[in-house]
Amino acid sequence: QVQLVESGGGVVQPGRSLRLSCAASGFTFRSYAMHWVRQAPGKGLEWVAVISYDGSDKQYADSVKGRFTISRDKSKNTLYVEMNSLRPEDTAVYYCARDRGGSGRSDGMDYWGQGTLVTVSS
Amino acid sequence: QSVLTQPPSVSGAPGQRVTISCTGSSSNIGAGYDVHWYQQLPGTAPKLLIYNNNNRPSGVPDRFSASKSGTSASLAISGLQAEDEADYYCQSYDSSLSEVFGGGTKLTVL
Repeated sequence: QVQLVESGGGVVQPGRSLRLSCAASGFTFRSYAMHWVRQAPGKGLEWVAVISYDGSDKQYADSVKGRFTISRDKSKNTLYVEMNSLRPEDTAVYYCARDRGGSGRSDGMDYWGQGTLVTVSS
Repeated sequence: QSVLTQPPSVSGAPGQRVTISCTGSSSNIGAGYDVHWYQQLPGTAPKLLIYNNNNRPSGVPDRFSASKSGTSASLAISGLQAEDEADYYCQSYDSSLSEVFGGGTKLTVL
């Protein structure tokens, strides 16, 4: 069965960095595009970034562009997001999600992890 | 403020039919990009409900249906059940912003 397990969340001071991981299993990881989606406490979903099946194409929300970097390691079946210059408004539960397609525009995110909480506070 | 506008809340009695709208513009839904819908039960991760405008993943009851026309899309839930009480989100692609979600709609089953 498809499983996505996020890790790496925690409390971090403004301006610092954090790297989140998403371990994937139960499917051919190298065949699917992967997303990061976040949800601030009590708020709606916000798309953060996507990486194509082979890592050749990456796109970011304007709110994180230049600060976050999405990447993937096919040998470890793991998705990452490196988050730099963190701000209080980055506080959220971060979900990784598998896209039904491999690249281009989303075909729908059919599997989601349980999420990991990132709190940016001094 | 999302570029995809959803009503903050809708409600209905058990057995009734409710619809949730998702209004976009010529840079997203109106440009022909697909719309997807998600259900988020309290305290859980979102679940894909509808993909590519009107397709249900395996396991999603046919009480859930969706359509798209012009710059808008809508999700319909018929035979409302207590377990349908959740937050619902639409998602599409925007030519300026990449992937975007609607602001979400809270469904209350009366």
